[in-house]
Amino acid sequence: DTEVTQTPKHLVMGMTNKKSLKCEQHMGHRAMYWYKQKAKKPPELMFVYSYEKLSINESVPSRFSPECPNSSLLNLHLHALQPEDSALYLCASSQPGQGYEQYFGPGTRLTVT
Amino acid sequence: SQQGEEDPQALSIQEGENATMNCSYKTSINNLQWYRQNSGRGLVHLILIRSNEREKHSGRLRVTLDTSKKSSSLLITASRAADTASYFCATSSNTGKLIFGQGTTLQVKP
Repeated sequence: DTEVTQTPKHLVMGMTNKKSLKCEQHMGHRAMYWYKQKAKKPPELMFVYSYEKLSINESVPSRFSPECPNSSLLNLHLHALQPEDSALYLCASSQPGQGYEQYFGPGTRLTVT
Repeated sequence: SQQGEEDPQALSIQEGENATMNCSYKTSINNLQWYRQNSGRGLVHLILIRSNEREKHSGRLRVTLDTSKKSSSLLITASRAADTASYFCATSSNTGKLIFGQGTTLQVKP
């Protein structure tokens, strides 16, 4: 199974809502990633988990809170978002370490109203 | 901050023609990877070339790497309408991060 799944596919939320994005992989990968992608731009790294521990936080605002409950699951908890946070949120996984190819999920299209 | 620049930003060709896109980067790398993204979807890994390799092939794809010029190119031969997508180069270094270039949008007309 070389698939990374993400739910939901689409999410519309108000600025006072709390929601979560979910990501799952069953490839045995021990590194998982969250990226944010705006239209016509490349993905921007947000967080990296390696062996279920947060290893990289790219100075992401605290209204985004990642969680890695186990080696297969990755969540992104959202609270008090701003309209400019509307974007495609991509999850990816890979073998841990440097330079391995990453497997991406289809993304969650988030709209903040 | 983004590592790479890609050109052209957009490319439109006829089916059957070859498509070449270029990527330049700024710092030392362990490897360089190319990804494809269909509109609004996730990225798909195409090919990885290590810093000590100069050329690599995979099916209709040919990638070159020139570390002295800090540049790479992706050639898609005999293009098909299904190749229409955005293509991103991404560099991997000792930081453990994958840094993406700005991307090239390819349109292949049937």
